[in-house]
Amino acid sequence: DAGVIQSPRHEVTEMGQEVTLRCKPISGHNSLFWYRQTMMRGLELLIYFNNNVPIDDSGMPEDRFSAKMPNASFSTLKIQPSEPRDSAVYFCASSLGWSNEQYFGPGTRLTVT
Amino acid sequence: AQSVTQLDSHVSVSEGTPVLLRCNYSSSYSPSLFWYVQHPNKGLQLLLKYTSAATLVKGINGFEAEFKKSETSFHLTKPSAHMSDAAEYFCVVSDYGNNRLAFGKGNQVVVIP
Repeated sequence: DAGVIQSPRHEVTEMGQEVTLRCKPISGHNSLFWYRQTMMRGLELLIYFNNNVPIDDSGMPEDRFSAKMPNASFSTLKIQPSEPRDSAVYFCASSLGWSNEQYFGPGTRLTVT
Repeated sequence: AQSVTQLDSHVSVSEGTPVLLRCNYSSSYSPSLFWYVQHPNKGLQLLLKYTSAATLVKGINGFEAEFKKSETSFHLTKPSAHMSDAAEYFCVVSDYGNNRLAFGKGNQVVVIP
């Protein structure tokens, strides 16, 4: 199995631009999670989906952030407009059942200048 | 609501000596508990999990954890630290009652040769 796939691995963009991060979960997993990690705030759960439905989005920082899961094999996290404080590593993870062990992707390192 | 407390954000141990990372949780319902490890520039990897079976759980790389309901604890231990154990460790609780996940703030472990 290829594991959780995230793209791009690195993204550098200017403040105000739209950023879209992509995630392909492990085939057969029905739960998907988005995390953000920074030195200042540590690891934060942003949102998670179960069977393509958002279950808990209480970690999404503000309206500039949105996440979708149009089908079982694809999810996006969008930031519009981006700001320098959004610079972080964004991880996607998937699991078989939301309360079971998660498998993490390699992360996307986002830098907003 | 559930929460997870990991004290000692930074832990230093000498190579060959025991490792103890403390995790205390609060949960309204019977939880599942996990320990994850994150090596530098990597995603998180599952070390071990507790899901209401045996209270002493053995994981990868010689780690184990004991679930103590009376103390609401799930401390992680390893008898002898290895240089490769230098990483950040996260305790996680999943609460079936309200479909919520809670992450501890992590323990950064440094192994001294």
